[in-house]
Amino acid sequence: DADVTQTPRNRITKTGKRIMLECSQTKGHDRMYWYRQDPGLGLRLIYYSFDVKDINKGEISDGYSVSRQAQAKFSLSLESAIPNQTALYFCATSDTGTSVAWDTQYFGPGTRLTVL
Amino acid sequence: KQEVTQIPAALSVPEGENLVLNCSFTDSAIYNLQWFRQDPGKGLTSLLLIQSSQREQTSGRLNASLDKSSGRSTLYIAASQPGDSATYLCAVKGSNTGKLIFGQGTTLQVKP
Repeated sequence: DADVTQTPRNRITKTGKRIMLECSQTKGHDRMYWYRQDPGLGLRLIYYSFDVKDINKGEISDGYSVSRQAQAKFSLSLESAIPNQTALYFCATSDTGTSVAWDTQYFGPGTRLTVL
Repeated sequence: KQEVTQIPAALSVPEGENLVLNCSFTDSAIYNLQWFRQDPGKGLTSLLLIQSSQREQTSGRLNASLDKSSGRSTLYIAASQPGDSATYLCAVKGSNTGKLIFGQGTTLQVKP
């Protein structure tokens, strides 16, 4: 079984709809992240959480919100989806117990979101 | 603001060639640099992590080097195989933020 899972894997929605992307992990990691990937732009950080009570904005948080329901679950919401939020979304986790210099992130398979 | 650039954006080579992928970054204050592999429909897989105090890391046919002072890293792939076809991403972890900043990626195609 995959350590980091994302649901749904693909989603097509319409402008103005609310949508939630979910991420679950079985690695026991405290840190979780949401990224989006656009062609030619690499991955950009949307939100990150270092524990259940700690939520932080990344470089492109406008139009998004997150919820850390438990150590293992981190959800990303688009309150009112717009076409330029069409992208590939990745969830990732990393281990608090690892020093920052060795910290590596483990990625889910991604959710392809299309907003019409 | 840290910026990470990867050149070339795409590369096509015949099987068996040795090749080099390039990554440059603008701020030398980093904790580490990582190279990831991305396959279609799958997430990113970490290939190599180089701490800021290290010069290189090796794993099998892969060798990554880091020159922090010049803001450059290279990923060397020896004896390339069709199974190496994927997108390769480099990412740096900044000293102040601890967050990963990614390059745009290099899409590699190895032809049989």
